[in-house]
Amino acid sequence: DAMVIQNPRYQVTQFGKPVTLSCSQTLNHNVMYWYQQKSSQAPKLLFHYYDKDFNNEADTPDNFQSRRPNTSFCFLDIRSPGLGDAAMYLCATSRDGQGANYPSYEQYFGPGTRLTVT
Amino acid sequence: AQTVTQSQPEMSVQEAETVTLSCTYDTSENNYYLFWYKQPPSRQMILVIRQEAYKQQNATENRFSVNFQKAAKSFSLKISDSQLGDTAMYFCAFMKRRLNFGNEKLTFGTGTRLTIIP
Repeated sequence: DAMVIQNPRYQVTQFGKPVTLSCSQTLNHNVMYWYQQKSSQAPKLLFHYYDKDFNNEADTPDNFQSRRPNTSFCFLDIRSPGLGDAAMYLCATSRDGQGANYPSYEQYFGPGTRLTVT
Repeated sequence: AQTVTQSQPEMSVQEAETVTLSCTYDTSENNYYLFWYKQPPSRQMILVIRQEAYKQQNATENRFSVNFQKAAKSFSLKISDSQLGDTAMYFCAFMKRRLNFGNEKLTFGTGTRLTIIP
């Protein structure tokens, strides 16, 4: 089945130690998103890639970076994790293209990576 | 900027009963989508139902239906004949609609935790 895969599902890192979360997709979607979801809160968009174009949200801290080496993979790098960065990180994808008949509204989510910072 | 408000942090209902989850939103846009996403415990978020603002008819997907009141900016979700598998966090979400290509971001509410009691 086509899907969005996130590895690992659980990640523990130390305060200040860089960590990378990965996302892959078999849907061949051209748009990929990273969300941060803290306990009992709504998912918050960090950034997204439209094809190779990186789009950062204005309030995303510089501590968060992303890479998309190809269509299928996208990485979230946290350069110096703080205790406040402990959260669930969700990857999502969607397809988009020219024309009103090209559905772009639905996002497909991965299961998330729960990050703990010690 | 858009805001989405879910005023019921938690709800519970007996299996087979009907439950309604509330959502209100604020926007100055005229063309947009509204969604209900479901996030089961430890599983990925999935789209339950969507509504296009220009359509007057309320969307229905099997046991799930919405009551969309555009003037009141209200978008409630009704789950009929509730099942144990409906236990999840439910998020209401808003997205501006584009006629040409280019994704808009999802704005989520804070969620309603729904528990179906056997």
